[in-house]
Amino acid sequence: NAGVTQTPKFQVLKTGQSMTLQCAQDMNHNSMYWYRQDPGMGLRLIYYSASEGTTDKGEVPNGYNVSRLNKREFSLRLESAAPSQTSVYFCASRPRTGYSPLHFGNGTRLTVT
Amino acid sequence: TQLLEQSPQFLSIQEGENLTVYCNSSSVFSSLQWYRQEPGEGPVLLVTVVTGGEVKKLKRLTFQFGDARKDSSLHITAAQTGDTGLYLCAGVVNAGNMLTFGGGTRLMVKP
Repeated sequence: NAGVTQTPKFQVLKTGQSMTLQCAQDMNHNSMYWYRQDPGMGLRLIYYSASEGTTDKGEVPNGYNVSRLNKREFSLRLESAAPSQTSVYFCASRPRTGYSPLHFGNGTRLTVT
Repeated sequence: TQLLEQSPQFLSIQEGENLTVYCNSSSVFSSLQWYRQEPGEGPVLLVTVVTGGEVKKLKRLTFQFGDARKDSSLHITAAQTGDTGLYLCAGVVNAGNMLTFGGGTRLMVKP
């Protein structure tokens, strides 16, 4: 089982460039999440999708957009990258809301110069 | 300001010592989870606590959920070098979909 797969693993962008981070899960989970983690810190929620067809803002949504393409895939787009968006981005999924645990991918390390 | 505050931020101890990590909030959580993260990987769930006052044990790790469901603690007995990592608490408010994390406690256990 692949679990949660994120691509790419590493990316370097110049300020103003755009890119899309891809995430796919093969566990038939309903809910998917995007977090960012700055060095030495915890995770901050960017956007989440409770179920296919819905998306909601998290704690730090500014500068990002998301698409829940289908039940498996949840992408994160940076329209005009800024140095403040340098971070490690984690995608996660879980089967349902409430008490179910998050299953994480291994992250995308993004540097914006 | 984060909804969940973890303390301490950093902890460096010798193998065999005991330690406690705290996760506090002014909000009431319907559930609280603890995760452990190693470098280059995503966090992995350790435990979920749901009921106020609940205590769960996982080998040398003891987790407690506060009576008012606003705080939690993680106690490690006789720490080992393999316990080194970033410990994160995460909570759900009102049984919703939004799961937010604390700032983490980075633990280093020295041999």
